[in-house]
Amino acid sequence: GAGVSQSPSNKVTEKGKDVELRCDPISGHTALYWYRQSLGQGLEFLIYFQGNSAPDKSGLPSDRFSAERTGGSVSTLTIQRTQQEDSAVYLCASSIGTLNTEAFFGQGTRLTVV
Amino acid sequence: AQKVTQAQTEISVVEKEDVTLDCVYETRDTTYYLFWYKQPPSGELVFLIRRNSFDEQNEISGRYSWNFQKSTSSFNFTITASQVVDSAVYFCALSPGNTPLVFGKGTRLSVIA
Repeated sequence: GAGVSQSPSNKVTEKGKDVELRCDPISGHTALYWYRQSLGQGLEFLIYFQGNSAPDKSGLPSDRFSAERTGGSVSTLTIQRTQQEDSAVYLCASSIGTLNTEAFFGQGTRLTVV
Repeated sequence: AQKVTQAQTEISVVEKEDVTLDCVYETRDTTYYLFWYKQPPSGELVFLIRRNSFDEQNEISGRYSWNFQKSTSSFNFTITASQVVDSAVYFCALSPGNTPLVFGKGTRLSVIA
């Protein structure tokens, strides 16, 4: 596609359930990032994938959070046993090169845990 | 520690006024990159500019201009003759060395017709 695509755009889930958020990056982009944006807060880094290298998971807030990137393309962010504090907009971005290059963001998935 | 501070949480201006959005950063790296992104109501962040730490030249792009001053660790963004379409949240971000972007908390700009 022309841009970074995220699905679903909105997700409401019950506390304790698992959720999967999907990101389809721009074709040819080797780098992929997940960020979280909570109300009134900036963007919080979660995880970074670059090519076939081991991902940088340093931003994941707990072991309930995990992410995969299959075939160097699509990525899935999984949150297990969701809590109300997980409610936020989850943003995915991709870039053609290293960390310092321009990142293109998707429109995000708004997650609401009730 | 890497940090970006956008002290202005919200700014409101009348159309055609000039407005400056402040950004102050902290890093111990000598090589780093600074960015500005715009987040309109649709939610998708739009890239505006990237500067590296070795290039302190100011930049102008249409009504947008950026003032990078290493001496004060600032990378301020000015919109000249603001328009309603400029209303958005603006984020300043820092990428020190080879690490992911560190964002400020954003400044919400409202331009009133």
